[in-house]
Amino acid sequence: EDQVTQSPEALRLQEGESSSLNCSYTVSGLRGLFWYRQDPGKGPEFLFTLYSAGEEKEKERLKATLTKKESFLHITAPKPEDSATYLCAVQAGGSQGNLIFGKGTKLSVKP
Amino acid sequence: DAGVTQSPTHLIKTRGQHVTLRCSPISGHKSVSWYQQVLGQGPQFIFQYYEKEERGRGNFPDRFSARQFPNYSSELNVNALLLGDSALYLCASLNPSGREGETQYFGPGTRLLVL
Repeated sequence: EDQVTQSPEALRLQEGESSSLNCSYTVSGLRGLFWYRQDPGKGPEFLFTLYSAGEEKEKERLKATLTKKESFLHITAPKPEDSATYLCAVQAGGSQGNLIFGKGTKLSVKP
Repeated sequence: DAGVTQSPTHLIKTRGQHVTLRCSPISGHKSVSWYQQVLGQGPQFIFQYYEKEERGRGNFPDRFSARQFPNYSSELNVNALLLGDSALYLCASLNPSGREGETQYFGPGTRLLVL
C-alpha cells in the first residue's frame, strides 16, 4: 500500500536554529514527490517538486532532497514567518492525479 | 495571474442536506483535482477530472460526485451530508502537458461545517 509518513509531528525551533523535516514514503513507482507549506485555515502552497533520487531544490531558506526511500526539507536559519505546517505528498506511477499526503509537520519558530 | 479560486469560502449545513462547491483552475490548466482535509490530517484525494472526463476517484462514498465544465471549472457535490463531512475541501489545478508536469496548485479551500 502506498503511504507517506512525516516526522516529527511537531517541531519548535528558536529563530536561527537550523533543522530538517523528514518524509518517508512507500510507493509503487514514484512519479513525483511534492512539498507544500500550509498556514492555518488556508490551502497548501507549493514549494518543490522532486522526481528522482539525488535531486535537490532550493528556495530561500529551504532545501529539499530526495533518496529512494525518503525526502528531507532542510530549513536554514529559520525566521518566525517560516512557522507553518509542512506537507509532503507523493504521486505513484500509474495514478491519475492522486496525491498521497502525509499528516504534516507543524513547525513553530520563536523569536 | 489569478490562482485557483474556490467558492464559497465558508458554508454551514445541517445533516441530510446537499452542498455544491465550485472551483476555477489556473488559466490554461485543463485538469482539476478535489481533496478533503479534516483537522490535523493531510488532504485526501476525492476526484480528478481532465478535459471534462473523470480520470481518478478516491475511496469516498457515492454521495460524493463531481463534474467539469467546458471552461475547465468544476463542481463538487455532496448529498445527504453527515457530521463527518465537516472539513476543508480543496481544489487543485494542474497542467499535465506543461513544463510543470505533475505539480498541483491548490486553491484557498471551502470550509464546510455540518451541524
